[in-house]
Amino acid sequence: AQSVAQPEDQVNVAEGNPLTVKCTYSVSGNPYLFWYVQYPNRGLQFLLKYITGDNLVKGSYGFEAEFNKSQTSFHLKKPSALVSDSALYFCAVRDSNNNDMRFGAGTRLTVKP
Amino acid sequence: KAGVTQTPRYLIKTRGQQVTLSCSPISGHRSVSWYQQTPGQGLQFLFEYFSETQRNKGNFPGRFSGRQFSNSRSEMNVSTLELGDSALYLCASSLSLGSVIGNEQFFGPGTRLTVL
Repeated sequence: AQSVAQPEDQVNVAEGNPLTVKCTYSVSGNPYLFWYVQYPNRGLQFLLKYITGDNLVKGSYGFEAEFNKSQTSFHLKKPSALVSDSALYFCAVRDSNNNDMRFGAGTRLTVKP
Repeated sequence: KAGVTQTPRYLIKTRGQQVTLSCSPISGHRSVSWYQQTPGQGLQFLFEYFSETQRNKGNFPGRFSGRQFSNSRSEMNVSTLELGDSALYLCASSLSLGSVIGNEQFFGPGTRLTVL
């Protein structure tokens, strides 16, 4: 079965600085990779996905993620963080061999002014 | 286009009772998945329904069940509630089954269940 790991429970960055939220995965087939964000008292919102093609994927709110097959990683990045980016971020993976969607434990991003 | 809606938003039950949660997917979406979110376990997949059939199931006991109606609306039932069932239950809809390429899920706001 597939799995996904987010090694950092918490990431703190200053506003205006670049941010990275890490994600690694394990699948038996081809990975379909996703990032979601959860704001307080709200459901998850889709940010971006990698299915195939260009390894650098651009998504909502200025976020992007880079698929690295050799390192089995899909790190989320943003060149310049905003205080409003503070939220809980989830990486998720589907294995092309089954229907399961597996989520990481989540990383709490805090952007300080 | 309206998003995924879940009712009720908040629910308080006591141990031993049963509960039914409802989810209405985005119009045109045929797949509905359910997740349990807790601080300790994170997001855990419960099951996925497509065309009124359960297509995939996570590792939860038989007390957790669900169904999907012909209009793609879905209900989730939990019987004989335990304290540990207290969680945020999230519903997500997608156009088709997860195995279809590019098939991201859209989540509802969740139902916060508290078991006393």
